[in-house]
Formats: sequence, structure tokens, C-alpha cells
Amino acid sequence: DIVMTQGALPNPVPSGESASITCQSSKSLLHSNGKTYLNWYLQRPGQSHQFLIYWMSTRASGVSDRFSGSGSGTDFTLKISSVEAEDVGVYYCQQFLEYPLTFGSGTKLEIK
Amino acid sequence: EVQLVESGGGLVQPGRSMKLSCAASGFTFSNYGMAWVRQAPTKGLEWVATISYDGSSTYYRDSVKGRFTISRDNAKSTLYLQMNSLRSEDTATYYCTRRDGYYHAFAYWGQGTLVTVSS
Repeated sequence: DIVMTQGALPNPVPSGESASITCQSSKSLLHSNGKTYLNWYLQRPGQSHQFLIYWMSTRASGVSDRFSGSGSGTDFTLKISSVEAEDVGVYYCQQFLEYPLTFGSGTKLEIK
Repeated sequence: EVQLVESGGGLVQPGRSMKLSCAASGFTFSNYGMAWVRQAPTKGLEWVATISYDGSSTYYRDSVKGRFTISRDNAKSTLYLQMNSLRSEDTATYYCTRRDGYYHAFAYWGQGTLVTVSS
């Protein structure tokens, strides 16, 4: 199975500052078609999960441009520029390259 | 607006069965693969099973293979998860998700239904 390892944030993050969440996969997520199958999701308290980023760096429809994804085949970063109160929650990375589909353990973001 | 509404959760004894349902609306259900993802209390997300748009292909994580069955009724726009021989480690909130093939992602999620396996 592909193991996804997420880093922690130095919570709480001051409002208006940027926050970067790291995610590492135990196997390259680069497909032969050139796409990297790494997704990011946000679980806000009491709400349904929101789909944020796909193909490592493409924002899903309606997602703020304050969110950006980057990385290589095995090391990934979700950057949130100028964090706001609505960004609070737990962020998950996920690999969609092969079954079993696996998620990172989650990274909690708190705002000061 | 895409909506996924799970139901059928509750308290069940170890070794017994339970069937979850997910009512979908706001999109053409028969065009999309669907999946179940679960989250044990205070734990992270864990993929459980996926079914293709027409039900012809299914995939399961090893720990539920042979015990859980994912299925769908496209006429009713409903996804199911039949869970047999339940174990305490199956205790979790179960989320219904829409698998978007273009993005290779779970683009929409329900609110979840809690399954507690305990005597």
C-alpha cells in the first residue's frame, strides 16, 4: 500500500499569515500520462469534506486562489496564503494512483 | 446542487450485519463511480470500497473484502454498503462520496452516518 505521511502545523497560525502543509508518499504518484494523482481535501468542523486540489496543483471549482498545491512525485505541499477563520479544519492529502486508495493522517489548522 | 445523504447507521453487535444507503441528487447518478470512505473516532480517513458507474466493477480494501458489499441502484440514484460479520474495528462514520473520473478524486462527500459495533 502507498503510505501517505503528513506534517504538522505550528498552531495556532496568525490570521493573515501563510501556512504550508506537507505530504509525502512512499511511492511516486506520477502516472505515465504525466499527471500526478495527489489530491487535497478540507474537513471543516461540522461540515462535509471539501475537495480542494487535484493533479497535485489544480484547484477544484470554486476554491479560493489562496490555496495552491505544488510538489514532485513523492513530496507535496499545500500552501494557504493569508489564512482566514474559514480555513480552520483538518486537511488531508490522498493518493489516487492505485488501490487501495490511501489518505494522510490529516493536518489540523487553527487560527489565532 | 449535488447532495449525498447517508442513512442506516446505528449501534450493532459484533458479528451482526448492517446496510447503509446513500441517496444521491443534483447530478446524473448513473454517470459516476461512487465510493465509501470511513473515519474511526479521532482517526483519519480510510477508503473502504468503490463501484463503477454501472456497477460492473467493484474494489475493496483488504480488511473488508468478503464481509462488505458495495452496490448501487441507478434507477433509484442510491448507493449501498452491505456490511456483514461486523467487528469493533469497523466502528466509524461512513461517508458516501462521488468519484470523479476526470479528476481522479472524490469531488463530493455526504455528511456521514455513524456505525458503532459494540456488545
